[in-house]
Amino acid sequence: NAGVTQTPKFQVLKTGQSMTLQCAQDMNHEYMSWYRQDPGMGLRLIHYSVGAGITDQGEVPNGYNVSRSTTEDFPLRLLSAAPSQTSVYFCASSKNPGQGTEQFFGPGTRLTVL
Amino acid sequence: KNQVEQSPQSLIILEGKNCTLQCNYTVSPFSNLRWYKQDTGRGPVSLTIMTFSENTKSNGRYTATLDADTKQSSLHITASQLSDSASYICVVRSGGYNKLIFGAGTRLAVHP
Repeated sequence: NAGVTQTPKFQVLKTGQSMTLQCAQDMNHEYMSWYRQDPGMGLRLIHYSVGAGITDQGEVPNGYNVSRSTTEDFPLRLLSAAPSQTSVYFCASSKNPGQGTEQFFGPGTRLTVL
Repeated sequence: KNQVEQSPQSLIILEGKNCTLQCNYTVSPFSNLRWYKQDTGRGPVSLTIMTFSENTKSNGRYTATLDADTKQSSLHITASQLSDSASYICVVRSGGYNKLIFGAGTRLAVHP
């Protein structure tokens, strides 16, 4: 199994540009989520999904959209990039949203917005 | 406000030495606490999970403790290795599956 994969690994955008961060998992996990990691702060939840066709907002959803058309894929869209969105983005998945279930993280996408 | 605070922010130790990382939380309700290891340029990987009734849990050279009364957890690393150089993140789950509170992490550097 490849686990959780993310592309691209690095990306530089100009303010106002849009882009999609890709996330895929091959473990047949129902639960997937997107986080951002900023220096000196803990990971913060952007959006999450409990299954195909179901998404919901996390702690910091503004400026981001998601969709979940398949169990495997959970792309994150930046609508109009801003410098405040410069961060490292992690996608994670887990078998189910149960309390004891481990989340598996992808390798991350480092995004810089100029 | 639910918070997870980790100390120290960074730590340098010599190879072979032991160290202890601290995690204090003010989270309610409490479901469980998990320690992650995050290598540079990688995603976090789970080391241990502690539930309310557990005091100690080991995973190789890593031993986590939990004191639910004082709301403190620690991660003890024994006989450190260069490969232990990483950030260690404490995460507390508060109720629902989307209620994870992440600490900012402790960055550990093990020098030869």
